[in-house]
Amino acid sequence: GENVGLHLPTLSVQEGDNSIINCAYSNSASDYFIWYKQESGKGPQFIIDIRSNMDKRQGQRVTVLLNKTVKHLSLQIAATQPGDSAVYFCAENIRGSGGGADGLTFGKGTHLIIQP
Amino acid sequence: EAQVTQNPRYLITVTGKKLTVTCSQNMNHEYMSWYRQDPGLGLRQIYYSMNVEVTDKGDVPEGYKVSRKEKRNFPLILESPSPNQTSLYFCASSHYRGRSNQPQHFGDGTRLSIL
Repeated sequence: GENVGLHLPTLSVQEGDNSIINCAYSNSASDYFIWYKQESGKGPQFIIDIRSNMDKRQGQRVTVLLNKTVKHLSLQIAATQPGDSAVYFCAENIRGSGGGADGLTFGKGTHLIIQP
Repeated sequence: EAQVTQNPRYLITVTGKKLTVTCSQNMNHEYMSWYRQDPGLGLRQIYYSMNVEVTDKGDVPEGYKVSRKEKRNFPLILESPSPNQTSLYFCASSHYRGRSNQPQHFGDGTRLSIL
């Protein structure tokens, strides 16, 4: 089957630098994508989402880029802070597909480590 | 405060002893879902519910049951737990507006150990 995946399991960056976390997806029917942040001992926390009719969306210190041509999604975090240390998941969904696909298909996650 | 609440947060039990993990949300969400999270496998959907009395299987439903008698509650039932159901479980909820996706809100998880 087609799955969402991640390029790197661990990413280490210096505090204050920008971080870029990548995600590859293979289901061309996916039209909604979400980034979640999961801190130790907690559930995934919504960061930002993007629909397939967009290629960029910005939030507070975060930007999601979607490249449908190569089926690639990225999360950019500006000026990373110690509190950004967490595992980041991308997830995809197929709109209105029903039959069990109303849930999200998650990537395996990238562990972002912020070096002081 | 808007939240998804799971209970218990931790449970150690033995094979075959029925257990229920409760999930409650206070956001009036139509959609609720259960996931399990395992190392190397990420989050996988067990069951979901699009509204009261409407439930359906996700990707890994074997060995689990759910019910949705009220909008706010979506308990996960393990009738006869086995060691391969040892995992970290998450409940999530969101609004469901027809064909429009909405981000899901997750609880803080329930860690189950089946001996």
